[in-house]
Amino acid sequence: DTAVSQTPKYLVTQMGNDKSIKCEQNLGHDTMYWYKQDSKKFLKIMFSYNNKELIINETVPNRFSPKSPDKAHLNLHINSLELGDSAVYFCASSHPSGTDTQYFGPGTRLTVL
Amino acid sequence: DAKTTQPPSMDCAEGRAANLPCNHSTISGNEYVYWYRQIHSQGPQYIIHGLKNNETNEMASLIITEDRKSSTLILPHATLRDTAVYYCIVRVADNYGQNFVFGPGTRLSVLP
Repeated sequence: DTAVSQTPKYLVTQMGNDKSIKCEQNLGHDTMYWYKQDSKKFLKIMFSYNNKELIINETVPNRFSPKSPDKAHLNLHINSLELGDSAVYFCASSHPSGTDTQYFGPGTRLTVL
Repeated sequence: DAKTTQPPSMDCAEGRAANLPCNHSTISGNEYVYWYRQIHSQGPQYIIHGLKNNETNEMASLIITEDRKSSTLILPHATLRDTAVYYCIVRVADNYGQNFVFGPGTRLSVLP
């Protein structure tokens, strides 16, 4: 009964490849997020979706494209992977219940060789 | 940039209370104080949040000063499993256009 799940947990790939990370939440939340945590351990938001609509798009290269097929899923597709894309990517979700607390997935460690 | 400042690291003896401070001198009247923690290699975990009153739940207590310019997260009886990076964040609740901005946090080490 995992609340926020991500697949895969680990992803190792070559530069220039295209890859996707999937995220699913079974909490019934309306809002989902993608965060990136780099080697310096800073956690930065990339995207936020509310009811399948893009709300926040930080200064992320357009090689990164989020896709939300429904409210329970927010997938992250990355084109032409670069070395600097190596990081841990976290998906999160929240519900506008007055607390707006976010629930995070376990993370996907992406390594670009 | 994060609107909070926290000490980079703290130690606490197992079984003792861990008091983690956070300064947020520019907090706005409608911004909440949230605390999250990240145990090594895991996703961040929500701990507690508050607006102006002190709050307590099964994990921790949150003490917010009267002027709201600082707060303290209290873990009443720290265990080894509480070793983690603790993040203090200020944000307007339910504001989809405003990010949760995570600063470097405080690395708490609970020692046996």
